[in-house]
Amino acid sequence: DIVLTQTPLSSPVTLGQPASISCRSSQSLVHSDGNTYLSWFQQRPGQPPRFLIYRISTRFSGAPDRFSGSGAGADFTLKIDRVEAEDVGVYYCMQATQFPFTFGPGTKVDIK
Amino acid sequence: QVQLVQSGTEVKKPGASVKVSCQASGYIFNEYYISWVRQAPGQGLEWMGWINPSSGATKYAQKFQGRITMTRDTSMTTAYMELTSLRPDDTAVFYCARDDRSGCDYWGQGTLVTVSS
Repeated sequence: DIVLTQTPLSSPVTLGQPASISCRSSQSLVHSDGNTYLSWFQQRPGQPPRFLIYRISTRFSGAPDRFSGSGAGADFTLKIDRVEAEDVGVYYCMQATQFPFTFGPGTKVDIK
Repeated sequence: QVQLVQSGTEVKKPGASVKVSCQASGYIFNEYYISWVRQAPGQGLEWMGWINPSSGATKYAQKFQGRITMTRDTSMTTAYMELTSLRPDDTAVFYCARDDRSGCDYWGQGTLVTVSS
């Protein structure tokens, strides 16, 4: 199975400051169809995950534009330009290139 | 608007089975896979498998093979996930999500399944 490693696992941030989460895969996530099926989710306490970014960098409808995704191959990053209070939660990367699909362990973002 | 509405909380004894439903609305049911994801208390997300509502074809994570069955009723636009031989460590919130491989874009509210004697 593909293992996704996220760093950091915890990220205390100051409101208005940027935050960055790394997601590294145990192998390339480039699919034979040429796409890279790496997505990002936000999960607030007590809620289901919320879809933010798909195929590395495409923002899902309704996701704030302060969220951006980048990367290639096996190395990916989620950035939050200026953290707001509502961004507190756990962020997960997920790969859907190879079965079984797998998630990273999650990165907890909270306010300093 | 796209909505996935799941069945309610379940309490089961070890060895029992549970069947969770996920009713979809607001889109053409047959055009998107339904993935099922498990989240144990205080833990991360775990993909269990998915079903193609159009064909009924399924793909399960090896970890659940032999214990899991995903089905669908297209007339009811509802997907189901049945897990058998439940153990206490199966206690979790189970989510369904609409999936087109690019990602799980809409999620159900989650169903808590508690396994306890």
